[in-house]
Amino acid sequence: QVQLVQSGAEMRKPGASVKVSCKASGYTFTGYYIHWLRQAPGQGLEWMGRINPNSGDTHYAQKFQASITVTRDTSISTAFMELRSLRSDDTAVYYCARGLGSWYYFDDWGQGTLVTVSS
Amino acid sequence: DIQMTQSPSTLSASVGDRVTITCRASQSITIWLAWYQQKPGKAPKLLISKASTLEGGVPSRFSGSGSGTDFALTISSLQPDDSATYYCQHYNSFSCSFGQGTKLEIK
Repeated sequence: QVQLVQSGAEMRKPGASVKVSCKASGYTFTGYYIHWLRQAPGQGLEWMGRINPNSGDTHYAQKFQASITVTRDTSISTAFMELRSLRSDDTAVYYCARGLGSWYYFDDWGQGTLVTVSS
Repeated sequence: DIQMTQSPSTLSASVGDRVTITCRASQSITIWLAWYQQKPGKAPKLLISKASTLEGGVPSRFSGSGSGTDFALTISSLQPDDSATYYCQHYNSFSCSFGQGTKLEIK
């Protein structure tokens, strides 16, 4: 079965960076886009960006263009999301999710990674 | 950007009730709408895509309808396990946006 397993919770100070991983199994990693979304405490869902694991092509939401980098390592079927210049309002649960074809909707999700930004 | 607005924000209903959550897009999105269910501390689960296509394994009491700007998620006979927050999502091949969510509580 499809599984996306994310790295564990992280705590960072303002201005720092964080890198979250998402290991895929149960399907051909290069056959599906991996997207990254986040959910601030008590809030809704926000799309951040995606990668085509086959080509490495990325697409980011305009809000995150300057601060996010999504990469992948096909040898270990893992996608990574790095967020830089963290602020307290970046405190959120970060999810990776598998996209359906080129469409930006998601049939399988990671378990989420809590990133806390606090001085 | 296309804005998605859900109503109501919270809803309380009894087991066996028929429940409808609505979602309105700020402009026509034809049928490119998905619905998700999220329980506390868990990732969202895809219920419906293309406005009315039920995903595999989703109980048949869930259904989606609508096109253009107005959509609905209906639960025909509410069950205790349906207590969750529900999100609508507009999507295409280069962007997506979510509604603010509807919290469904069981009386």
